[in-house]
Amino acid sequence: EAQVTQNPRYLITVTGKKLTVTCSQNMNHEYMSWYRQDPGLGLRQIYYSMNVEVTDKGDVPEGYKVSRKEKRNFPLILESPSPNQTSLYFCASSPLTGGRQETQYFGPGTRLLVL
Amino acid sequence: GQQVMQIPQYQHVQEGEDFTTYCNSSTTLSNIQWYKQRPGGHPVFLIQLVKSGEVKKQKRLTFQFGEAKKNSSLHITATQTTDVGTYFCAGRRKLIFGQGTELSVKP
Repeated sequence: EAQVTQNPRYLITVTGKKLTVTCSQNMNHEYMSWYRQDPGLGLRQIYYSMNVEVTDKGDVPEGYKVSRKEKRNFPLILESPSPNQTSLYFCASSPLTGGRQETQYFGPGTRLLVL
Repeated sequence: GQQVMQIPQYQHVQEGEDFTTYCNSSTTLSNIQWYKQRPGGHPVFLIQLVKSGEVKKQKRLTFQFGEAKKNSSLHITATQTTDVGTYFCAGRRKLIFGQGTELSVKP
């Protein structure tokens, strides 16, 4: 089944404790992206990747890191989480057709609470 | 920078009434996508509009892309309780999402 998976789905942590949220897709998509969703602010892009070893900042990259060592995986790293990073996080992937991004497929989401 | 604004933020309708959400961009878009997110779920792609003035229909849903490619709308005819959720427009190039419109439907 074609899908985007995220782990963990729910996470409670404390300020400053490094964490990683994994994202994996089995559709051989070139493009992958991370979003955070907050009430009243919709979906905001954190980082995106056009292909392996190619990553770029989105609109709200501060406090986050990503890596794209393999095509299928795009982990989101919070080196020192802070309470303002409490949010619902979505990973998404899409194929690139002629260099253009097509429909995005979203993972189920990761709900993060930073105390 | 490019911004996509969506109105209204919330809309509560009686079942059977029509519903429209509007999406406006500060810049010309190459295309626009619409997504639906059910409560507790993740965004799911509905449609993509590419051409100026384009109109597409999916059953009771009608999507329009403005002539100037800076605005778009989603219209739902005769809403049903299954239409409940948040509808997002997303314009590229970096796929900037609007804030979303949360629709609730009273049966």
